[in-house]
Amino acid sequence: DTEVTQTPKHLVMGMTNKKSLKCEQHMGHRAMYWYKQKAKKPPELMFVYSYEKLSINESVPSRFSPECPNSSLLNLHLHALQPEDSALYLCASSLLPGQGADTQYFGPGTRLTVL
Amino acid sequence: AQSVTQPDIHITVSEGASLELRCNYSYGATPYLFWYVQSPGQGLQLLLKYFSGDTLVQGIKGFEAEFKRSQSSFNLRKPSVHWSDAAEYFCAVGAYSSASKIIFGSGTRLSIRP
Repeated sequence: DTEVTQTPKHLVMGMTNKKSLKCEQHMGHRAMYWYKQKAKKPPELMFVYSYEKLSINESVPSRFSPECPNSSLLNLHLHALQPEDSALYLCASSLLPGQGADTQYFGPGTRLTVL
Repeated sequence: AQSVTQPDIHITVSEGASLELRCNYSYGATPYLFWYVQSPGQGLQLLLKYFSGDTLVQGIKGFEAEFKRSQSSFNLRKPSVHWSDAAEYFCAVGAYSSASKIIFGSGTRLSIRP
């Protein structure tokens, strides 16, 4: 089973709201990722967690706050977002942290709209 | 640093026709190469990957890709496309020592003509 699940599927929020995106995998993977994808563009890496610790932050604004409570779960907390943050947010996981060769498996994404 | 180029932004082929999507990479050592497909509003699905060994790689949904080191290419092929193959296709390259990062190409949108 190579399934990564994400909730919610769609999210609409105002600029003053606080919301969270959730990602879950039960494949025993020890690396988890958040990507942001704008329309007609490739995914852009935001964060990487390796063994539940933040290992890469691609200079993402602090209004995005990741959290990895355990090896199966990854959250992205959102606060005071801007309309330009509207995008598809993708979660991915891979078996072995620290190896760019490792295959990443993606979830279906959360479509976020910021009003 | 590695990079990926997908020279074709949009390709249209007739249903039943053959398909080849181009991917060129830049990396000093042996790259690790991937093809992903994304249907509208969906996540990315792995079609196939190349790490080492046989340079012709078989994937899901009838796709294959060939690694050509001399041309720095990893082109995706399918002998006969179906309407359901209409999607965005991303080539990606990773490196063993690049700390979990893979680099995506800009994508090729595939349309199918009935």
